[in-house]
Amino acid sequence: GQQVMQIPQYQHVQEGEDFTTYCNSSTTLSNIQWYKQRPGGHPVFLIQLVKSGEVKKQKRLTFQFGEAKKNSSLHITATQTTDVGTYFCAGRGNYGQNFVFGPGTRLSVLP
Amino acid sequence: DSGVTQTPKHLITATGQRVTLRCSPRSGDLSVYWYQQSLDQGLQFLIQYYNGEERAKGNILERFSAQQFPDLHSELNLSSLELGDSALYFCASSAPDGLEHGYTFGSGTRLTVV
Repeated sequence: GQQVMQIPQYQHVQEGEDFTTYCNSSTTLSNIQWYKQRPGGHPVFLIQLVKSGEVKKQKRLTFQFGEAKKNSSLHITATQTTDVGTYFCAGRGNYGQNFVFGPGTRLSVLP
Repeated sequence: DSGVTQTPKHLITATGQRVTLRCSPRSGDLSVYWYQQSLDQGLQFLIQYYNGEERAKGNILERFSAQQFPDLHSELNLSSLELGDSALYFCASSAPDGLEHGYTFGSGTRLTVV
């Protein structure tokens, strides 16, 4: 079945440094979504990417969908302590109905 | 408040017991999804209901069952509980026109089996 992997599993950065998490699928995806889960909270939808090579920005967050639609990345510029949490990608295959979540990348930001 | 309501927030029970988790989807959403999140783990999809009908099944154990009622609220029943069933159980709902705006998650039920 479809598998979605994320690297790194954990990332510790100093406040102000940049951060990137990568998402890779074993199969071609029709679309991919990103979620953020704060410590002790629930996942919150951030964005969906649909087109090959698509790039979307939300303030300091930049999301990219690979040309082959098998990978994606989330880049945060100049991290802040409010960015702390676990970032999940979720991919849906071309014939899938629901999204498969990756294991997440846990981000810690040191002030 | 996401609009998805889960009760109870916390549950502590003994091995072998049976519990019921409840979820009310966001107003207007027809789909309900159940996910299990173990400590430091990702989100494991259990089951989906759409307007009262089972739509998709994930890695749900035979000891677990779910249903969605006419008022669209859903219940997840966990029986013959084992220590390994301790986890956060999330319910999510989605808009009738699909998942373009993602899943909306509730705040979860933390189940501890002792």
